Amino acid sequence: GDSVTQMEGPVTLSEEAFLTINCTYTATGYPSLFWYVQYPGEGLQLLLKATKADDKGSNKGFEATYRKETTSFHLEKGSVQVSDSAVYFCALSGPPNAGKSTFGDGTTLTVKP
Amino acid sequence: DAGVIQSPRHEVTEMGQEVTLRCKPISGHDYLFWYRQTMMRGLELLIYFNNNVPIDDSGMPEDRFSAKMPNASFSTLKIQPSEPRDSAVYFCASSFGYGEYEQYFGPGTRLTVT
Repeated sequence: GDSVTQMEGPVTLSEEAFLTINCTYTATGYPSLFWYVQYPGEGLQLLLKATKADDKGSNKGFEATYRKETTSFHLEKGSVQVSDSAVYFCALSGPPNAGKSTFGDGTTLTVKP
Repeated sequence: DAGVIQSPRHEVTEMGQEVTLRCKPISGHDYLFWYRQTMMRGLELLIYFNNNVPIDDSGMPEDRFSAKMPNASFSTLKIQPSEPRDSAVYFCASSFGYGEYEQYFGPGTRLTVT
């Protein structure tokens, strides 16, 4: 079945550092790929997505590119802020598991001033 | 839109009591999902509905858990009887479709069973 593997955390960075959180996936079809972010005490919310190979999703300075050849969707940000401290989830959705998404285990990011 | 609404936000109950969690999805969304999140097990999909019909309940941990969606704007997750190991944050989410459509999560219900 489908699966998502994320870089293990926690990840601790200093403000303005470069961020990469790795995500690789296994899927039988051609899924859409997502990054969700969860701030403390809140539900998950969409950060960015890409629906086909070579698409780049971007939002709030974060970017991720759908790489079919390496089955990856790594999250990057050039300069993190303290407010980026959160848990980040990589996810995929699409046939044959129509309707539901497969989530990674989440990566906790802490950014220190 | 107000987003996905869940109630209550916090619930503290004693072991053996019945607990009912409520969810109002975003209007027009035809998929509804119930998740459970704990430190030990992470985010788990319990059940999801399409057009008010349960599609996959394989994540429901045992018969003590049940979920209903009587109409497009309301769903419940019931635990009877509750046990301390049910303590978790329960999220409801909805989406317009599947595949390219993202899920919108509610704020969650933090359940504590003593």
